[in-house]
Amino acid sequence: GAVVSQHPSRVICKSGTSVKIECRSLDFQATTMFWYRQFPKKSLMLMATSNEGSKATYEQGVEKDKFLINHASLTLSTLTVTSAHPEDSSFYICSALISGSSDEQYFGPGTRLTVT
Amino acid sequence: DAKTTQPPSMDCAEGRAANLPCNHSTISGNEYVYWYRQIHSQGPQYIIHGLKNNETNEMASLIITEDRKSSTLILPHATLRDTAVYYCIVLINYGQNFVFGPGTRLSVLP
Repeated sequence: GAVVSQHPSRVICKSGTSVKIECRSLDFQATTMFWYRQFPKKSLMLMATSNEGSKATYEQGVEKDKFLINHASLTLSTLTVTSAHPEDSSFYICSALISGSSDEQYFGPGTRLTVT
Repeated sequence: DAKTTQPPSMDCAEGRAANLPCNHSTISGNEYVYWYRQIHSQGPQYIIHGLKNNETNEMASLIITEDRKSSTLILPHATLRDTAVYYCIVLINYGQNFVFGPGTRLSVLP
């Protein structure tokens, strides 16, 4: 099946710094990617929808200036957590929709962010 | 809010069939039922999806009631590696974002 990768898989950063997380579709093109956040023992919560070549659409309550999303190519979307705080520590997961298909979304393996 | 309700947890003996129910009483005619699972600290994994006919693949079977208000995911011979949280999701089949409910935590016991 289609493969989505995320990099890094784990990252620890200090408060106030910025962290970039990459989401790549390895063997298909994805015009749409989604970014989710998951706190321990909780379900995934959608943060934003990323469309190639256009601005991301953020869910209510998600600060667009804090969580910068760039979808510059059909195989790469990035999420940058700016001025990170300990409460941003979470598991961040992306998913990608195959261009021209609407049957399945493929999820990345997730990135665990810890802010100290 | 998620449009589905699932039991929070279930146990299943290894080698037995695991039957995971899902209620989606407000499903509309053009919404599909999707099942994903999430093994601890990994991204969700696609299992199966269907509209109104029963579906089967190498991983599982999906049984959808005639009125489409509920469905059951069947893992025919559960293994320890099937221990995960299973999510039942309904959405129109054109790339909507998924709304995840709390899912069912399946524990396969030796």
